[in-house]
Amino acid sequence: EVQLLESGGGLVQPGGSLRLSCAASGFTFNNYAMSWVRQAPGKGLEWVSALSGSGRNTYYADSIRGRFTVSRDNSKNTLYLQLSSLRAEDTAIYYCARDPNWNSGERGYFDFWGQGALVTVSS
Amino acid sequence: EIVLTQSPGTLSLSPGDRATLSCRASQTITSDYLAWYQHKPGQAPRLLIYGASSRATGIPDRFSGSGSGTDFTLTISRLEPADFAVYYCQQYGWSPGSFGQGTKLEIK
Repeated sequence: EVQLLESGGGLVQPGGSLRLSCAASGFTFNNYAMSWVRQAPGKGLEWVSALSGSGRNTYYADSIRGRFTVSRDNSKNTLYLQLSSLRAEDTAIYYCARDPNWNSGERGYFDFWGQGALVTVSS
Repeated sequence: EIVLTQSPGTLSLSPGDRATLSCRASQTITSDYLAWYQHKPGQAPRLLIYGASSRATGIPDRFSGSGSGTDFTLTISRLEPADFAVYYCQQYGWSPGSFGQGTKLEIK
C-alpha cells in the first residue's frame, strides 16, 4: 500500500525557515517523480515544486522560486521541502504527491497524496 | 499559465442524482492532459481521472471523464453519500501544471 506521510509543519515568523519531510512507503521511491502541492486557507490547490526520480532535476513555481528548495534522499525514501524567507501568503497545507512518471518536470499529475502538513506564517 | 475555470462553484444534489461538473481551459490542453481529483476536508486528495477519460486504479465506473480541447466534464452517474466533496480539475499539458478553483458538491 502506497503511503505518504508529511511532517515538520508548524508556526513560523515572517522571514523564518522550516523544513518539511515526506516519508514514502509501499513503492520503489526512486522510480517516481515527486511534487509538493499547497492549499492556502479557503483557496484551491497550487503546485509548488517537483523533483525527478533521481533528484537531479528540480522545478519550482514562480511564486516560491529562490525561497524554497526541494530535495530527496532515496536511501531513506524521503522527500524534503526547505522553506525560507517565509511570507504570510505561504500559509497553507503542504501536500506531498507522487507522480506516476519518473520525470514530468512542471507537468505532472498525481496518483497518490499525503494528508498534508500545515505551515502557518505569522508574527 | 493556463487558467482552468470550474463550474458551478457549488452543486447541490441528492444521493442517487447525476452530477455534471465542468472545467474550461483558457487554451487547448495538449494531448488531453487533464486530471480530476476528489478532496474531502482533512484527507488526502484522491485521483479520479487522468488523460481526460481514464479512470485511476480502484475508481468505480460511476465516475467518468470526457471532453477535449478546452472543455472537459466529470460525470458521477449515481451519487452516493461518500461522493460529497470538493472536486478539482488539473491540466498537465502546459508548464506549469495548474488547478481549477474547485467545485463543491454538497448534499441538497
